[in-house]
Amino acid sequence: EPEVTQTPSHQVTQMGQEVILRCVPISNHLYFYWYRQILGQKVEFLVSFYNNEISEKSEIFDDQFSVERPDGSNFTLKIRSTKLEDSAMYFCASSAEGYTDTQYFGPGTRLTVL
Amino acid sequence: AQSVTQLGSHVSVSEGALVLLRCNYSSSVPPYLFWYVQYPNQGLQLLLKYTSAATLVKGINGFEAEFKKSETSFHLTKPSAHMSDAAEYFCAVSDVERGNKLVFGAGTILRVKS
Repeated sequence: EPEVTQTPSHQVTQMGQEVILRCVPISNHLYFYWYRQILGQKVEFLVSFYNNEISEKSEIFDDQFSVERPDGSNFTLKIRSTKLEDSAMYFCASSAEGYTDTQYFGPGTRLTVL
Repeated sequence: AQSVTQLGSHVSVSEGALVLLRCNYSSSVPPYLFWYVQYPNQGLQLLLKYTSAATLVKGINGFEAEFKKSETSFHLTKPSAHMSDAAEYFCAVSDVERGNKLVFGAGTILRVKS
């Protein structure tokens, strides 16, 4: 069964460093998403991406964040200058269609900012 | 804007007992509702979804949920709990006006006692 994959599973970085989280969505999907879950808190939406552009972003997704689909398979989330409060589990998701369709989630990348 | 409230951050049941996890939603448009399960150290897995077809939705692992518009509820049930059901369960609504993002509830941790 097709699945969303994410790398790395765990990333440790120093405050102020740039990190890139990578995701490979399911191959025929058209909609891509990033969510995050700070330990003990809700899963929060960060950004949605369709047709090579951002379709929606949350207030969390400020200028420090960016997303890219550099080729036909990868979908990346970049944090330019990490802060302590960026420590969280980051989930990538993809769906074939829009709001009625299931979003399939990857296993997540745990980001720890020291 | 869409929102989700899950009543009870922790629910404990005995093995073989009924499981009932509560979810209430707020939506300005007909909602699309989802239940996801998260096992320890894993990603989010879809249990079931409601997309305006039948109000009683059957999902995987014997779970089902009933959409009740009058009560703005989408409670998750399972007739007989199994030890393997111990996990965290998230109710979510699709925000069709905001890039198809999922808005999650705070989650309910289900504990199954032997």
